[in-house]
Amino acid sequence: GAGVSQSPRYKVAKRGQDVALRCDPISGHVSLFWYQQALGQGPEFLTYFQNEAQLDKSGLPSDRFFAERPEGSVSTLKIQRTQQEDSAVYLCASSLPPWTGDTYNEQFFGPGTRLTVL
Amino acid sequence: KNEVEQSPQNLTAQEGEFITINCSYSVGISALHWLQQHPGGGIVSLFMLSSGKKKHGRLIATINIQEKHSSLHITASHPRDSAVYICAVLGTSGSRLTFGEGTQLTVNP
Repeated sequence: GAGVSQSPRYKVAKRGQDVALRCDPISGHVSLFWYQQALGQGPEFLTYFQNEAQLDKSGLPSDRFFAERPEGSVSTLKIQRTQQEDSAVYLCASSLPPWTGDTYNEQFFGPGTRLTVL
Repeated sequence: KNEVEQSPQNLTAQEGEFITINCSYSVGISALHWLQQHPGGGIVSLFMLSSGKKKHGRLIATINIQEKHSSLHITASHPRDSAVYICAVLGTSGSRLTFGEGTQLTVNP
């Protein structure tokens, strides 16, 4: 079965451009997460969806970052007016609901989109 | 101080050596992940544990909830184990993972 896919895998943008990064989660996974991973660092949480509802967006670094998941499946992370500090790998992960009873359902990660802002 | 700290940051070993990577955290958790990340970005979950010890092949993960500490051990290391190993904790409040900065492991033949 297909895992989490992300596109594009690589994106080069000029400073000030808008970019859109796509995530296709595993079919049936209601939870979807976006993470930002700077070079040499661990990932950092950006936002979380359960179905189409964005339940937590506290990790988005500025109002230039916007994420949506309108039909509860594919998600898009949009970055407006990109800056050099936005250069990072953007990871998407999906899972069943985080908890099923007392059991935590693990997250499955996509390959990431490497964004370079010149 | 980060909520999740890993040590060492970098580790070089010879093939066959026993390897230990440590993770300490400062917050209450529901569970702890050990993840493996190869060049190119793909992350694979190795273990998810909330108590005790788990073993899978040459990999062993332990956690001590009282001491807020976990270790990942690799026995009989092999060059294909070369990767970044990341510890991530799930807070008690919900679904959000907090990650350590990762340990870059290089195993030389």
